[in-house]
Amino acid sequence: QQPVQSPQAVILREGEDAVINCSSSKALYSVHWYRQKHGEAPVFLMILLKGGEQKGHEKISASFNEKKQQSSLYLTASQLSYSGTYFCGMLIKNTDKLIFGTGTRLQVFP
Amino acid sequence: ETGVTQTPRHLVMGMTNKKSLKCEQHLGHNAMYWYKQSAKKPLELMFVYSLEERVENNSVPSRFSPECPNSSHLFLHLHTLQPEDSALYLCASSLLTSGESSTGELFFGEGSRLTVL
Repeated sequence: QQPVQSPQAVILREGEDAVINCSSSKALYSVHWYRQKHGEAPVFLMILLKGGEQKGHEKISASFNEKKQQSSLYLTASQLSYSGTYFCGMLIKNTDKLIFGTGTRLQVFP
Repeated sequence: ETGVTQTPRHLVMGMTNKKSLKCEQHLGHNAMYWYKQSAKKPLELMFVYSLEERVENNSVPSRFSPECPNSSHLFLHLHTLQPEDSALYLCASSLLTSGESSTGELFFGEGSRLTVL
């Protein structure tokens, strides 16, 4: 039932790009993305509410394909501050259940 | 500071103890959540309270008992836990909108690190 994220881990140099994917076996109402740094609570990045919606947050953007029950997070020109574990959260249709994905650990080096 | 406060931040307990975790939010949110985060597992949803009513317990063992006395407070009562219950327990809150179920951004507390001996 837990959404599956890929890849599990990413290592980048500053300035490089990355894509994190998330897919669910359940029908979805919306997708959330969060970033968690070591020893800290997850922090909200963005919500996508409609199939096909794309949103941006500085150099981080995301898309949501409702029909495929998939979402992707795009990180461009990565910065050291982007390091952390990224989680997608998928809101199952007709429920209040926000189920988090398996997580993707991102490390950005100078 | 997210507006969600959890206490205690750290807790060590024996398998026969009874303890409680507390979560408090003053953001005007109407939904509260307990998540468990273990070292080798992602965030696992334990309980959801929507408008102070429990809507999901996600097959959590009965040694975990949630309580939501009002929209600002959430407790997790712990009783006869097992060592594998050692984890970070995160509380979160959000604002649910009307109509088709829609949960806004989750605000997380900093968590309660639980160690069961």
